[in-house]
Amino acid sequence: KNEVEQSPQNLTAQEGEFITINCSYSVGISALHWLQQHPGGGIVSLFMLSSGKKKHGRLIATINIQEKHSSLHITASHPRDSAVYICAVIASGGSNYKLTFGKGTLLTVNP
Amino acid sequence: NAGVTQTPKFQVLKTGQSMTLQCAQDMNHNSMYWYRQDPGMGLRLIYYSASEGTTDKGEVPNGYNVSRLNKREFSLRLESAAPSQTSVYFCASRPGTDYGYTFGSGTRLTVV
Repeated sequence: KNEVEQSPQNLTAQEGEFITINCSYSVGISALHWLQQHPGGGIVSLFMLSSGKKKHGRLIATINIQEKHSSLHITASHPRDSAVYICAVIASGGSNYKLTFGKGTLLTVNP
Repeated sequence: NAGVTQTPKFQVLKTGQSMTLQCAQDMNHNSMYWYRQDPGMGLRLIYYSASEGTTDKGEVPNGYNVSRLNKREFSLRLESAAPSQTSVYFCASRPGTDYGYTFGSGTRLTVV
């Protein structure tokens, strides 16, 4: 079983919809990252979280350390949000340099 | 533009050939990383360099070597390429462990 599980694997939405992507992990962590990989392959770091909530534009990331769960929300989704969203964690007690990645959620936003 | 620059973008090698993937960042970041991405496997860490002068193995280091030439540059070498090393390779960097990552645009490597 992968230490980092994302759901759903695939998500199709209509423009304007509110999107939620979930990430669950099985180990204690010191930090969690959300990444976005564009259709062309480029990867962008969206958030780094160790507690609470962060917001950047239409993107919101939350984390519940006790429940070992994080969510990435996109408000007022747009076709340009179509991408693979990847959750990754740094296990506590391990190297701060080693991320464990989920397999990603493919989001398609239709106009 | 500031960022992480990887070269080449595409490469085809024959089994047994060697090559070096180059990575350079101009953001004065301390740590640098090499990942490979394979379908259905997600990203996996090959090697990383926590700071200039240090390198450490990641999850899948076999068949690779790295050099942190200076603070800017972190190269990945395949001494004897194998078809199993066909993948997309990403270099990344970050200022320190409390920060997010900046990724290069990737190198698509095919070993035939």
